[in-house]
Amino acid sequence: NAGVTQTPKFQVLKTGQSMTLQCAQDMNHEYMSWYRQDPGMGLRLIHYSVGAGITDQGEVPNGYNVSRSTTEDFPLRLLSAAPSQTSVYFCASSEQARTTEAFFGQGTRLTVV
Amino acid sequence: GEDVEQSLFLSVREGDSSVINCTYTDSSSTYLYWYKQEPGAGLQLLTYIFSNMDMKQDQRLTVLLNKKDKHLSLRIADTQTGDSAIYFCAENLGSGGGADGLTFGKGTHLIIQP
Repeated sequence: NAGVTQTPKFQVLKTGQSMTLQCAQDMNHEYMSWYRQDPGMGLRLIHYSVGAGITDQGEVPNGYNVSRSTTEDFPLRLLSAAPSQTSVYFCASSEQARTTEAFFGQGTRLTVV
Repeated sequence: GEDVEQSLFLSVREGDSSVINCTYTDSSSTYLYWYKQEPGAGLQLLTYIFSNMDMKQDQRLTVLLNKKDKHLSLRIADTQTGDSAIYFCAENLGSGGGADGLTFGKGTHLIIQP
C-alpha cells in the first residue's frame, strides 16, 4: 500500500517557469490537500479538495492552481514560479468525514532561482 | 481567525520526560492533533484527542487538554534519541481532522541531549 505519493522529490525552477507537482493516493480518500512548509512558518494550507471535481482555496492560494479530475490524483500547478514559492510542499489525504488522521506524502522540495 | 502557537525549541536529556506545549484559539475544534516530522520526511500522526476529553494516554505519550485555557500538551516519557524530531500541534477547521483543513502550529524542534 503506497499511501500518498508525491513527485518529484526535488525540483529547481527558474523564475517565470511553470510546473506541476504530482500527488496520488491509493486509499480511495475523498479529501486531499496541499500545504507548504516554510522555516518558522509551520504548514500552511494552499488548496484542498473534498472530492473529485471539487476544489477550494486555503490560506495561501495565490500563484497556485489545482484540479481534481479523479479521486486518486490532485496535482498542484505553479503557473509562473517566483522565488517566494521556494518551499517544501506536502500533499495530504484523508477519508471523507470526521476522520482522525490525514496521511502525508514525503514532500517536494522546490527551489525557484 | 484560527491560530496555533508553540515554542520553537525544546531541549531535554535522554531518559527525562519531554513536555511540548501548544495553545490554540478556535474553541469549536473537535479534534486536536500531534504530528511528528523526522528530518527529510513527511508528517506522521502521533496521537489525537477529542475535545470532550481531558487526557489521553498511549504508551509513552500523554496528551492533556485544557479547553478553558485552550491549552494542549504532549508529554513523552523516557525520551529517547529516536524521539528527536519536530512536533506539530494542529487543530481542525472543518468537520473533522481531514485533509480539507488542518491548522498547524510552527512546530517544536525536540533536541535530545545524551
